[in-house]
Amino acid sequence: AQSVAQPEDQVNVAEGNPLTVKCTYSVSGNPYLFWYVQYPNRGLQFLLKYITGDNLVKGSYGFEAEFNKSQTSFHLKKPSALVSDSALYFCAVRGYNNDMRFGAGTRLTVKP
Amino acid sequence: EAGVTQFPSHSVIEKGQTVTLRCDPISGHDNLYWYRRVMGKEIKFLLHFVKESKQDESGMPNNRFLAERTGGTYSTLKVQPAELEDSGVYFCASSTGFPDTQYFGPGTRLTVL
Repeated sequence: AQSVAQPEDQVNVAEGNPLTVKCTYSVSGNPYLFWYVQYPNRGLQFLLKYITGDNLVKGSYGFEAEFNKSQTSFHLKKPSALVSDSALYFCAVRGYNNDMRFGAGTRLTVKP
Repeated sequence: EAGVTQFPSHSVIEKGQTVTLRCDPISGHDNLYWYRRVMGKEIKFLLHFVKESKQDESGMPNNRFLAERTGGTYSTLKVQPAELEDSGVYFCASSTGFPDTQYFGPGTRLTVL
């Protein structure tokens, strides 16, 4: 079955430092992977996706993610974190029936 | 372009009552999805419409939940009668098709007392 896992419930980084939010996947066939972000009292906002092509995917707000087939990972990264990046981040994979299978979410806190 | 909208943003009802949630997808998106996130847990798929037809409703928890999408535009999700375990945030999403991005609405927070 298609699934993703986010091993960290919480990630804390200092403003200006690089950040990584981890995601691993388990799929049959080609993976279609996504990252979404949820700011307080807001809905899920699409950040980026990997369908095919370059392993490094660039998305909104300076975020990028690296697809690693050998490690079955799709970690979200940003070179320099902002306090405004503090939010809940969800990794997701497209399921067989076109539904999205989400991870449990990782709360990112960026401290000034 | 307007995004996915959901109404109401919050709903507080008592056990046994009925609640209807509404979702307006992005104009032109034939695919509409409902998801639910129960407190602190994963976001779970409920069902998928293609236009007015239910493509997949395997995630619907039980027959107290009824979703409709008359005319292939907006969709409603009715919970009748509501139970305590139905509390959570209900998200709606829409897309043009597979494997296109699903765009999510702000969600409806349902609290059943």
